[in-house]
Amino acid sequence: DGGITQSPKYLFRKEGQNVTLSCEQNLNHDAMYWYRQDPGQGLRLIYYSQIVNDFQKGDIAEGYSVSREKKESFPLTVTSAQKNPTAFYLCASSPRRPGWGTDTQYFGPGTRLTVL
Amino acid sequence: QKEVEQDPGPLSVPEGAIVSLNCTYSNSAFQYFMWYRQYSRKGPELLMYTYSSGNKEDGRFTAQVDKSSKYISLFIRDSQPSDSATYLCAMMQSNFGNEKLTFGTGTRLTIIP
Repeated sequence: DGGITQSPKYLFRKEGQNVTLSCEQNLNHDAMYWYRQDPGQGLRLIYYSQIVNDFQKGDIAEGYSVSREKKESFPLTVTSAQKNPTAFYLCASSPRRPGWGTDTQYFGPGTRLTVL
Repeated sequence: QKEVEQDPGPLSVPEGAIVSLNCTYSNSAFQYFMWYRQYSRKGPELLMYTYSSGNKEDGRFTAQVDKSSKYISLFIRDSQPSDSATYLCAMMQSNFGNEKLTFGTGTRLTIIP
């Protein structure tokens, strides 16, 4: 069964703690993305990676870090430097067609992070 | 001004009605247009994907793009209670070199049985 999995579904963190959100895909997609969704603000891009061992900052990368050691995995760490981390976090991936760049994006089920 | 504007709603219509959802945008470089459906506390699901101007139909859903007016629409015919969700429009400039999607804020739709 192909798809994108995110874990955990719900996560609670105390202020000052780092936390890592997992994203795995078995779609053989090259590109992976992390978004944050807040009420009334739509999806905002945190980081993205077009290829293993390479990633770029999105629009709101401050306070976050990522790694891309394997094609299937793109974990996101929310650090204590992120001032307002409570949000719904979405991971996405997209294929890359030769000569066409990447296609549109397919999303995982999301992780809801709450900072206590 | 945001690059993509979308009326947040909420929008409530009776079952069986035709629903029209819309987005406007300011960046004329956008060429690829998508509609996603997102149920509460779930990830967005791709509904429609179109390139440039024109119409695309898939079952009860029709996506329409008017690049001259910088306006895209999603029509839902014979709406069902299961269509109740938030609908997000998204667009990108190209599918080679700059693949970032720009999203609207979403319209929350409720279909009343």
